[in-house]
Amino acid sequence: NSKVIQTPRYLVKGQGQKAKMRCIPEKGHPVVFWYQQNKNNEFKFLINFQNQEVLQQIDMTEKRFSAECPSNSPCSLEIQSSEAGDSALYLCASSLGENTEVFFGKGTRLTVV
Amino acid sequence: QQQVRQSPQSLTVWEGETAILNCSYENSAFDYFPWYQQFPGEGPALLIAIRSVSDKKEDGRFTIFFNKREKKLSLHITDSQPGDSATYFCAASNNNNAPRFGAGTKLSVKP
Repeated sequence: NSKVIQTPRYLVKGQGQKAKMRCIPEKGHPVVFWYQQNKNNEFKFLINFQNQEVLQQIDMTEKRFSAECPSNSPCSLEIQSSEAGDSALYLCASSLGENTEVFFGKGTRLTVV
Repeated sequence: QQQVRQSPQSLTVWEGETAILNCSYENSAFDYFPWYQQFPGEGPALLIAIRSVSDKKEDGRFTIFFNKREKKLSLHITDSQPGDSATYFCAASNNNNAPRFGAGTKLSVKP
């Protein structure tokens, strides 16, 4: 059973508002991933970290999205100015590292109205 | 670019039958292939995974068959149960790159 904790479970924001979600990875997991899952169940990788350092991120993340994984604090993903197309399930996952099991949290369901 | 493809999009089987879910990939560098099970409103849960050095991985009623040459793999669920009704995702990764996911197969098991 996954021990990745995501908060909040549900988030409703107006267009243009900031939306922030948090993730506590499994204890001892240095690698953290963020994915966006749309209503068609498609996964889009956003960004991943090893400890506090960004490993990979996509262009979308570089522009309106910001993410961090500070030491001794939850990781976070923030959308600076929400758009209707950002409505999705945002999934955080963690792993021990290279090609090891990746465990997901329950996700944050963002609705932008 | 869809790097991981799954078929069928949806599948219905009767309780007790074997469900076969298919997956293919494009990047020959992928060497780790997990399958996830996701119920509505929940995050995906790791079900079973295989590395490219193996051609078969079994865990209870769940078996992965892997064909490296054809870049294909399949998940077989034997003795399917209504509780197995969920969406199943095939994923692929290599090194420290984030897993890439297929679009999923929605499985319905009828009692």
